Amino acid sequence: GAVVSQHPSRVICKSGTSVKIECRSLDFQATTMFWYRQFPKQSLMLMATSNEGSKATYEQGVEKDKFLINHASLTLSTLTVTSAHPEDSSFYICSASWAPGDTQYFGPGTRLTVL
Amino acid sequence: GENVEQHPSTLSVQEGDSAVIKCTYSDSASNYFPWYKQELGKRPQLIIDIRSNVGEKKDQRIAVTLNKTAKHFSLHITETQPEDSAVYFCAATMNTGFQKLVFGTGTRLLVSP
Repeated sequence: GAVVSQHPSRVICKSGTSVKIECRSLDFQATTMFWYRQFPKQSLMLMATSNEGSKATYEQGVEKDKFLINHASLTLSTLTVTSAHPEDSSFYICSASWAPGDTQYFGPGTRLTVL
Repeated sequence: GENVEQHPSTLSVQEGDSAVIKCTYSDSASNYFPWYKQELGKRPQLIIDIRSNVGEKKDQRIAVTLNKTAKHFSLHITETQPEDSAVYFCAATMNTGFQKLVFGTGTRLLVSP
């Protein structure tokens, strides 16, 4: 149990375009999903917390207009990187938990490369 | 806010030896401390966790200890195997309603045959 999927696994896009990443909890309902970014050989940095049916809470320094998060259902959250630039190239990972305070289970990640 | 420090950054051991990774946290209200293992290019996988009402937890070759007074917790791996080689991250909850996790900087463990 507690399987989280992410799609796509890899994406290459041109600078200035937008990319949408999907995060799904496959066998449980996730009231809370988290989005992280991980640069090579670095730790996971929380970008935002997403709760079903409400606006995402962004961490300090993360532009909410650039990283659009939607959590439309208990099994799906999406992250859209708008007007992507090469510096946005990174490994984006989501996690999901049944409820606040419960274990976070991670998706397989999406490697974004912006040319 | 919460700050989590993790040491060492790299750890090399011989197969069969024990490995210990240590983390300290700053927020005394933190109450949940998971450890994740991440292989190159893969997702972090939960290997063990501990809550603040427990001092120690063990699962086969893996154990975690928590010292709330000193605000530090440690991961212990016994009888290490080459497949234990990976990056290990500790984490601690921030004192918010969403129980956000703050991650340590990671420890690259290399187990040599």
